Amino acid sequence: DAKTTQPTSMDCAEGRAANLPCNHSTISGNEYVYWYRQIHSQGPQYIIHGLKNNETNEMASLIITEDRKSSTLILPHATLRDTAVYYCIVYAGGTSYGKLTFGQGTILTVHP
Amino acid sequence: EAQVTQNPRYLITVTGKKLTVTCSQNMNHEYMSWYRQDPGLGLRQIYYSMNVEVTDKGDVPEGYKVSRKEKRNFPLILESPSPNQTSLYFCASSHRTVLNTEAFFGQGTRLTVV
Repeated sequence: DAKTTQPTSMDCAEGRAANLPCNHSTISGNEYVYWYRQIHSQGPQYIIHGLKNNETNEMASLIITEDRKSSTLILPHATLRDTAVYYCIVYAGGTSYGKLTFGQGTILTVHP
Repeated sequence: EAQVTQNPRYLITVTGKKLTVTCSQNMNHEYMSWYRQDPGLGLRQIYYSMNVEVTDKGDVPEGYKVSRKEKRNFPLILESPSPNQTSLYFCASSHRTVLNTEAFFGQGTRLTVV
């Protein structure tokens, strides 16, 4: 699976959009981009995933660049409860089916 | 409600005393796995199971055993725990047959071996 690079930490004001970048320049054509988050040592929580097109759900939006070498997770109206570690993962199944390789992630702190 | 349930949530034990951490899911998922999380090392996969009676080693299997006798349950067994197995453990499950899917994680078991 391709390696990802994320900033170590980011801050965001409550009510503003939080934009979390992820670089995955070695991504291959069959690899999906997944985002998970972990709130204070709880189990990781799925947020969103995509292959090529931008995706939106009730939690967030995922913007993937046309060359697929980077992506941005957008939390449109961040709240204090969105303070967490956010993980960007690229994954294609195959021989590593089911294994999610978590990096260090981005610590997002939402301020009042 | 779709969920993965781990028990216990917290456990303090002594070196060498066998223990089992249970994991159960109610989503009829084929794939289940165990991770451990340690500061600076992130989440690492211990064992996984593609279906009933099918298990395989992940990245850090030493000192652990698993079994998958029923689809819903995937217990993690530490036959002779040692202090280096002090960690935060997570069980996860997902559908096997579809790549385009999400994994569900339990709330974690914080294990301390003294």
